[in-house]
Amino acid sequence: EAQVTQNPRYLITVTGKKLTVTCSQNMNHEYMSWYRQDPGLGLRQIYYSMNVEVTDKGDVPEGYKVSRKEKRNFPLILESPSPNQTSLYFCASSLWTSSADTQYFGPGTRLTVL
Amino acid sequence: KQEVTQIPAALSVPEGENLVLNCSFTDSAIYNLQWFRQDPGKGLTSLLLIQSSQREQTSGRLNASLDKSSGRSTLYIAASQPGDSATYLCAGRRYNNNDMRFGAGTRLTVKP
Repeated sequence: EAQVTQNPRYLITVTGKKLTVTCSQNMNHEYMSWYRQDPGLGLRQIYYSMNVEVTDKGDVPEGYKVSRKEKRNFPLILESPSPNQTSLYFCASSLWTSSADTQYFGPGTRLTVL
Repeated sequence: KQEVTQIPAALSVPEGENLVLNCSFTDSAIYNLQWFRQDPGKGLTSLLLIQSSQREQTSGRLNASLDKSSGRSTLYIAASQPGDSATYLCAGRRYNNNDMRFGAGTRLTVKP
């Protein structure tokens, strides 16, 4: 089954404790992206990657890191989480080669930083 | 920068009613416009994607239209059902751009 998986689905942590949210897709997509969703603000892009070893900042990259060592994986790293990073996070992937290409979303990771 | 707005933020209708959800965007150089459905605690499911060369797309009881000149898209839901209750998000992708801009969504409740 074609899918985007994220782990963990739920995470409660404390300020300053480094964490990683994993994202994996099995569709051989080149494009992968991370979004955060906050009430009333819609989804905002954090980082995206056009291919292996190619990453770039989205609208809200501060406090986040990413890496793309393999095509299928795109982990999101919070090196020193703060309470304002409490949010619902989505990973997405796409072929991204034509106007007909949709994005496929993971189930989301709800992060709470105390 | 592309800004996407959805009005209303919430909508409640009785079962069986036809309804329209609105999405407006500021940049007419749009590559495609997509409508998603989001159920509580779940990810986004793509409903319809309209390419810039198209005016509308249909899937079952759903019809989405795109008017680039006015910067508007609508999602029409016919004969609404309680199972249609969810948040509906629209998102626009611009030419030569590597992100999609999302609206904040319209939360739809269909009452039995």
